[in-house]
Amino acid sequence: GIQVEQSPPDLILQEGANSTLRCNFSDSVNNLQWFHQNPWGQLINLFYIPSGTKQNGRLSATTVATERYSLLYISSSQTTDSGVYFCAAPKETSGSRLTFGEGTQLTVNP
Amino acid sequence: DTGVSQNPRHKITKRGQNVTFRCDPISEHNRLYWYRQTLGQGPEFLTYFQNEAQLEKSRLLSDRFSAERPKGSFSTLEIQRTEQGDSAMYLCASSPYTFGSGTRLTVV
Repeated sequence: GIQVEQSPPDLILQEGANSTLRCNFSDSVNNLQWFHQNPWGQLINLFYIPSGTKQNGRLSATTVATERYSLLYISSSQTTDSGVYFCAAPKETSGSRLTFGEGTQLTVNP
Repeated sequence: DTGVSQNPRHKITKRGQNVTFRCDPISEHNRLYWYRQTLGQGPEFLTYFQNEAQLEKSRLLSDRFSAERPKGSFSTLEIQRTEQGDSAMYLCASSPYTFGSGTRLTVV
């Protein structure tokens, strides 16, 4: 099955700073998703991004499928951005069950 | 429809007891997933349903675990003879991926 690795494991920022989170995956994928898990445990789907670049407000994501990585950019970070960011990919190319990375724990200080 | 609903939010049980969790997906979603998440880890897939059919089960789903989705709407996940290692957050999602808030199980 596919392996998903995320870096860095932990990140501490001051409010207003920018950051880049990375996700490497071991095999070709037709689906790559980014999630944010808030401090109360709720997982929110941020992006479905098998390739290319998407933007949503202060967040954007880029997946380079040929090189098997994806990046999540957070600009002008806010304290509400704190939590764990996960990337996830299907176990096999045709499947819908997701394999998650271990996440990046982001703390944004005021 | 306010999203995926899971009940209870928290469950504390004694080792050896049976527990059952419920998930109500978004009504128009016909795929439903169960995942388990332990502290400091990403969610791990347990099982998934397409309507009422259980199409895939992880090897994490031991004989003590059973899941149903009898009418293709809500789903239940039962754990029999709970063990301390079952302590985790149990997450339900319907697809396109929308997760519930989870049920946190503590086995004492």
